[in-house]
Amino acid sequence: EIVLTQSPGTLSLSPGERATLSCRASQSVNSNYLAWYQQKPGQAPRLLVYGASSRATGIPDRFSGSGFGTDFTLTISRLEPEDFAVYYCQQYGSSPRTFGQGTKVEIK
Amino acid sequence: QVHLVESGGGLVKPGGSLRLSCAASGFTFTDYYMSWIRQAPGKGLEWLSYISSNGDIIQYADSVKGRFTISRDNAKNSLYLQMYSLRAEDTAVYYCARETRDRRTDYWGQGTLVTVSS
Repeated sequence: EIVLTQSPGTLSLSPGERATLSCRASQSVNSNYLAWYQQKPGQAPRLLVYGASSRATGIPDRFSGSGFGTDFTLTISRLEPEDFAVYYCQQYGSSPRTFGQGTKVEIK
Repeated sequence: QVHLVESGGGLVKPGGSLRLSCAASGFTFTDYYMSWIRQAPGKGLEWLSYISSNGDIIQYADSVKGRFTISRDNAKNSLYLQMYSLRAEDTAVYYCARETRDRRTDYWGQGTLVTVSS
C-alpha cells in the first residue's frame, strides 16, 4: 500500500498570498496518477488536479499541480477567500487507492 | 450534469448490517467504474472499494474486506454497499464516487451518514 504524507498539517496564510502544499508518497506513484481535492465543511470533496498536473474542468488557473514519482506539490498562486479549506492528495495508480491525511489552509 | 445521490444511512447497533445505495444520473453509468469512500467525523478520507463498469473487477480496502460487499445494477443506474458486522469505527459519512477511464475520481455524491452505536 502506498502511504501519502501531506505537509504541513495546517497552513496559515492571508488572502492574496501563495500557498504551497506537499504530498510525498512512500513509493513511486504509477503513471503519475496523483490527484488533489478540495473539501469545505459539510461538502463533498471536489477534484482540482489529476495526473499530478492537469487541472480539472472549471478549476481556476491559480491552482496548479506539479511533481513526479514520489514528490508532488499543489500551488495556489494567490489565495482567494473561497480557497480556505482542507486539501487532500490521492494516488489512484495502484490498489488500494490511498489518500493523504490532508492540509488545512486557514486564514491568518 | 452528473448527479450521485446516496441513501440508506442511519443508526445501527454494533454487529448489525446496513445497505447503502447510490443513484446515478446525468452520464452513461455503464461506461464508468464506481467507488465508495468514507470519512469519519473530523477525520480524513478513506477509500473503501471500487467496482468495474460491468462488475467483473472488484477491490476492497483491508479495513472492510470480508465485511463489506460492493455491487451495481446497471439497469437501474445504481451502486450499492452492503455492510455487515458493523463496528463503532465504521461510523462515517459514506460517499459514492465516479471513476474515469484513467481511474481518477471526478465526481462525488453528497454522502450519507452511518452511525454505529448501541
